[in-house]
Parts: sequence; structure tokens; C-alpha cells
Amino acid sequence: DTEVTQTPKHLVMGMTNKKSLKCEQHMGHRAMYWYKQKAKKPPELMFVYSYEKLSINESVPSRFSPECPNSSLLNLHLHALQPEDSALYLCASSRTGLATGELFFGEGSRLTVL
Amino acid sequence: KQEVTQIPAALSVPEGENLVLNCSFTDSAIYNLQWFRQDPGKGLTSLLLIQSSQREQTSGRLNASLDKSSGRSTLYIAASQPGDSATYLCAVMNSGGSNYKLTFGKGTLLTVNP
Repeated sequence: DTEVTQTPKHLVMGMTNKKSLKCEQHMGHRAMYWYKQKAKKPPELMFVYSYEKLSINESVPSRFSPECPNSSLLNLHLHALQPEDSALYLCASSRTGLATGELFFGEGSRLTVL
Repeated sequence: KQEVTQIPAALSVPEGENLVLNCSFTDSAIYNLQWFRQDPGKGLTSLLLIQSSQREQTSGRLNASLDKSSGRSTLYIAASQPGDSATYLCAVMNSGGSNYKLTFGKGTLLTVNP
């Protein structure tokens, strides 16, 4: 099983809503990542969890709040977002942590903020 | 700061042609380089991972090379097929103290015409 599963695939929310994106992997990987991708741009790193601890936060606004309940799950809690936050949010995982691991990505959650 | 450049930005070829996609990076102190494929609106699919100590990797019709000293990688696709049409992204993993960051190029949009 080499899958990273993301839900929901599509999400539409208003600026006052609170919602969450979920990511799951059952490959025993110990690092998990959130990336944001705008149209026709490369993915941008948001957060990295290594061994369930937040390792990297790329100066992401506090309206995005990551959570890693266990080694298989990664959530991204969304609150008071802006229309410019509309993007494809990609989750990824890697086996050995950060340096040498091949990254496996999910299919993404397409977020639209109205 | 690592910068990754992919040339060309877009490429259109007839079916059956062999082709080369190019990736260059400014900081040669990398741990690995990974090639991905992305279909429109979808997540990233890992194609090949080359560790910094390796010169090339092969998978089916794909061959990726790495010349770390000159800061270059190429992805060779043999006997291209319409199903190969996608955006191809290369990404390099650098170390930044205790943090590790994957830097993406902007991608090459490949169209293989039947």
C-alpha cells in the first residue's frame, strides 16, 4: 500500500467557517507534510511533522493550524480563511524522516474560500 | 537559497519521440533529487528519486541522471505516449541546519500528440 489518502477532495467554505482537511497513510512513514499549490505554480511547503512533532512551520498564518494525532494521521484545521487561500492542499509522507526519503503525495484537497 | 529551474517550460512532441526534460539547481549541496508527474488538478506522482551519491535511476521508459557538481539533472522519456502528457516537476532536498527543505522547479508541461 503506497497510498496517501486525503479527504475531502473538494471543499467550499465561507470566510467565517471552521473546517478541517484530513490526511492518512498506512505505510509506516514517520514524516508527514502539508503543501499548498496555486494554479500553474509549484507546491509550497507549509508544515512538516517528523515523528509526530512539528518540525518545520514555514511562517504560515495562524488561520492554518496543523495537528498530528498519531503517526498515520495529519489534519489541517482551517478558520477565518481569505479568498486568496483558495488552492490545492497536498499532503505527503516519507519513510525515514526528512533528509533521504522519497516523498509520496496524496491527490489533494481542492479548497475554495468564498 | 536554493533555486530550481526547469527548461523548457512547455514541450509538445509527436507520439513515439524520445525526449529530455532539464532541471538545474544553484546549490549543489543536496541530499537527493526527485522527479514527479502531475496531471491537471491532481496530486503528484513520484517517478524517480536519485540520492546525491547516485548518477542515474531508471524505471521503465524513464531514465533520470544527476550531475551534482554542475547542478543538473535530466529526465529522459523513451518512446513517448499520449498518456505521458502531464506536468513534470523536479525537486531537490537540501539541508538547512536541522531542517530539510524540498525546493520545486516550476515544471515542464509536456504534451504528446497522437
